[in-house]
Amino acid sequence: RKEVEQDPGPFNVPEGATVAFNCTYSNSASQSFFWYRQDCRKEPKLLMSVYSSGNEDGRFTAQLNRASQYISLLIRDSKLSDSATYLCAVNRDSNYQLIWGAGTKLIIKP
Amino acid sequence: GAVVSQHPSRVICKSGTSVKIECRSLDFQATTMFWYRQFPKQSLMLMATSNEGSKATYEQGVEKDKFLINHASLTLSTLTVTSAHPEDSSFYICSASSLLTSGDTQYFGPGTRLTVL
Repeated sequence: RKEVEQDPGPFNVPEGATVAFNCTYSNSASQSFFWYRQDCRKEPKLLMSVYSSGNEDGRFTAQLNRASQYISLLIRDSKLSDSATYLCAVNRDSNYQLIWGAGTKLIIKP
Repeated sequence: GAVVSQHPSRVICKSGTSVKIECRSLDFQATTMFWYRQFPKQSLMLMATSNEGSKATYEQGVEKDKFLINHASLTLSTLTVTSAHPEDSSFYICSASSLLTSGDTQYFGPGTRLTVL
């Protein structure tokens, strides 16, 4: 089993719809969780950190489920510009490394 | 805040030459820098972790004599691909984190696209 797993997609979603995807992790001791987005041929950019209480930033909501060991990302009122690959990352251990999922590709269609 | 630059953005070189890539944290002191490689349509692959003033820690399967990492200051790390070959062609991305200000959060440079002919 991979340490961090994501559905690769692609998720094809009409503009304006709500889309959600999950990321599962295997290390129950992980403490830090992140969502990044990566556009084609570009570097990953931090979207949001995921806190145990969940957090929201505009149309984006991230949740952490420790019992089932997954984090989720919900995008409301999706825009064409949301099309990207979404990477989740989980801290490995005390040396501050992050374990990366392979990414979920999202395509928003007009 | 948390801006990371990387230079060059693109390089094309002949097989056998060495290529140096610089990664700089512009507005914060990076206690740790990371070097990744990403092949087309694949996930990020961590190559090595480097802390200022100490030797880099390489991931399994990454040749430390081929990928030389120097982390001379809290704002600069360099990766040198020595004797590059076509199979080294890839997208190399650095990231930086600051234990004091943002913990595990990594901020990425814009990447360097290396093509070895």
